Amino acid sequence: SQQGEEDPQALSIQEGENATMNCSYKTSINNLQWYRQNSGRGLVHLILIRSNEREKHSGRLRVTLDTSKKSSSLLITASRAADTASYFCATSSSGSARQLTFGSGTQLTVLP
Amino acid sequence: GAGVSQSPSNKVTEKGKDVELRCDPISGHTALYWYRQSLGQGLEFLIYFQGNSAPDKSGLPSDRFSAERTGGSVSTLTIQRTQQEDSAVYLCASSLVVFRTTSDTQYFGPGTRLTVL
Repeated sequence: SQQGEEDPQALSIQEGENATMNCSYKTSINNLQWYRQNSGRGLVHLILIRSNEREKHSGRLRVTLDTSKKSSSLLITASRAADTASYFCATSSSGSARQLTFGSGTQLTVLP
Repeated sequence: GAGVSQSPSNKVTEKGKDVELRCDPISGHTALYWYRQSLGQGLEFLIYFQGNSAPDKSGLPSDRFSAERTGGSVSTLTIQRTQQEDSAVYLCASSLVVFRTTSDTQYFGPGTRLTVL
């Protein structure tokens, strides 16, 4: 079953605009990761934020984590047409289990 | 070296046939995972191998699904008596697990698209 819910399910913006995607989850986590997927194939790891972190940056990406609300957001600034893809959040739950539990994803379309 | 590789990239089979999907993880990675992604959905965990420990099979949907990891490297996912609902993209990932940390990143292969007619 899916741990997380992401919203919006689909987002369409103009090149240069910022894109914000949100993720909510249900159980306590060790860390939360964001992945990108093109054309329904392999996933590319974007960024990981630990449960004791509140914000993290990587290039044009900014991730926030609010463990009290069990939610995270991914912000892509100055979007490009090449950012068009599906974006998934994935959580690693507390305890020994290391498998990731994925949200249902946000389909981002950046229009040139 | 190279990333995670999977074969075949596409597999079309008839209902009731058995299929084998292969995953070659990144060299040196001790952990290997199989996930399934149905059309338009997120990933669903299937099975996890870590070193010589017994695999975590908690995500396998039925006893028609099984997986092996030989020599701590290559893994094969086998689906017996395939059903149409088995149609999905099967993704493999590997990671370098560092004990007592909670930050191992998983690296994904390109997936195998399975279509059961």
